[in-house]
Amino acid sequence: EDQVTQSPEALRLQEGESSSLNCSYTVSGLRGLFWYRQDPGKGPEFLFTLYSAGEEKEKERLKATLTKKESFLHITAPKPEDSATYLCAVLTTSGTYKYIFGTGTRLKVLA
Amino acid sequence: NAGVTQTPKFQVLKTGQSMTLQCAQDMNHEYMSWYRQDPGMGLRLIHYSVGAGITDQGEVPNGYNVSRSTTEDFPLRLLSAAPSQTSVYFCASKTAGGNEQFFGPGTRLTVL
Repeated sequence: EDQVTQSPEALRLQEGESSSLNCSYTVSGLRGLFWYRQDPGKGPEFLFTLYSAGEEKEKERLKATLTKKESFLHITAPKPEDSATYLCAVLTTSGTYKYIFGTGTRLKVLA
Repeated sequence: NAGVTQTPKFQVLKTGQSMTLQCAQDMNHEYMSWYRQDPGMGLRLIHYSVGAGITDQGEVPNGYNVSRSTTEDFPLRLLSAAPSQTSVYFCASKTAGGNEQFFGPGTRLTVL
């Protein structure tokens, strides 16, 4: 069964304290892996797409990496404005529109 | 571009009432979809459309109807609301050739 698991569920960091969020996946075929940021009361905001193992993408303090079994979202020297829920999703090769979402990691960065 | 827009932002219904959640996009995206987001669960696909006149069921379609008469609009209809449909609903769109979805701001629906 296709599955996406994110850990930890919640993470509290001090400003400047770097860390990583994990997204592990089990799918029959991977077409792409996506990271989204979701602020309270808002819709998910697209961050990155990764397609193959070894690929990396960066944006400001965020860097996403991909292996054959998992993806990491590395947050370097976070600021309070990075506080949000980060969602991971995979697009499988099964069917036209088979996106599977994880339950997210709630990140709180303290000043 | 306004992107993906949804109305209303909040809605309270009584069991058995019907309503339509509106979704529109101005990016000329071929694909549009509806998801629901519940605590402790990932976003789940309700219905999707790959173009005007074409719709298909997702993971949790029961109790919901859709139609797509134009490229821009993709309304979601609840024919007889049930408390189990209390959720936050998101509309998303993407191009036919792309994989990245773009989401609207959501509608928070409560069914009493």
